[in-house]
Amino acid sequence: EAQVTQNPRYLITVTGKKLTVTCSQNMNHEYMSWYRQDPGLGLRQIYYSMNVEVTDKGDVPEGYKVSRKEKRNFPLILESPSPNQTSLYFCASSLISAGRYEQYFGPGTRLTVT
Amino acid sequence: ILNVEQSPQSLHVQEGDSTNFTCSFPSSNFYALHWYRWETAKSPEALFVMTLNGDEKKKGRISATLNTKEGYSYLYIKGSQPEDSATYLCALPSSNTGKLIFGQGTTLQVKP
Repeated sequence: EAQVTQNPRYLITVTGKKLTVTCSQNMNHEYMSWYRQDPGLGLRQIYYSMNVEVTDKGDVPEGYKVSRKEKRNFPLILESPSPNQTSLYFCASSLISAGRYEQYFGPGTRLTVT
Repeated sequence: ILNVEQSPQSLHVQEGDSTNFTCSFPSSNFYALHWYRWETAKSPEALFVMTLNGDEKKKGRISATLNTKEGYSYLYIKGSQPEDSATYLCALPSSNTGKLIFGQGTTLQVKP
């Protein structure tokens, strides 16, 4: 089954404790992206990757890191999480760029930082 | 920064009503427009990707039109059903880069 998976689905952590949210897709998509969703602010792009070893900042990259060492995986790293990073996070992928191809979203990761 | 606006913010209709909502965007440097449906407790799912002025797309009771010259797209739902209740998002890529800018969405509630 074609899908985007994220782990963990739910995470409660404390300020400053490094964490990684994994994202994997099995559709051989070149493009992958991370978003956060906050009430009243909609979906905002954190980072995206056009291909392996090619990553770039979205609109809200501060406090996050990503890497794209393999085509299928695009982990999101929070080196020192803070309470303002409490949010619902979505990973997505598409065939090539975000432009002319629909994105497939993962199930979401709800992160709480206390 | 590309500004994508959706209206109305929310909408309550009765089962069987037809409804429509709008996505507005700058008409210059248009590249493509995406529509997604996002049901509560699920993840967004693509409805349409539209690229050409005058495009019309249809999926069941849902259809969309695109006017790139005046900078808007309409999403129509004919004969709304309770299962259509969701937030409908439009998104535009910033030229052909990887950035995708989402509107804030229109939340539709269909009452039985």
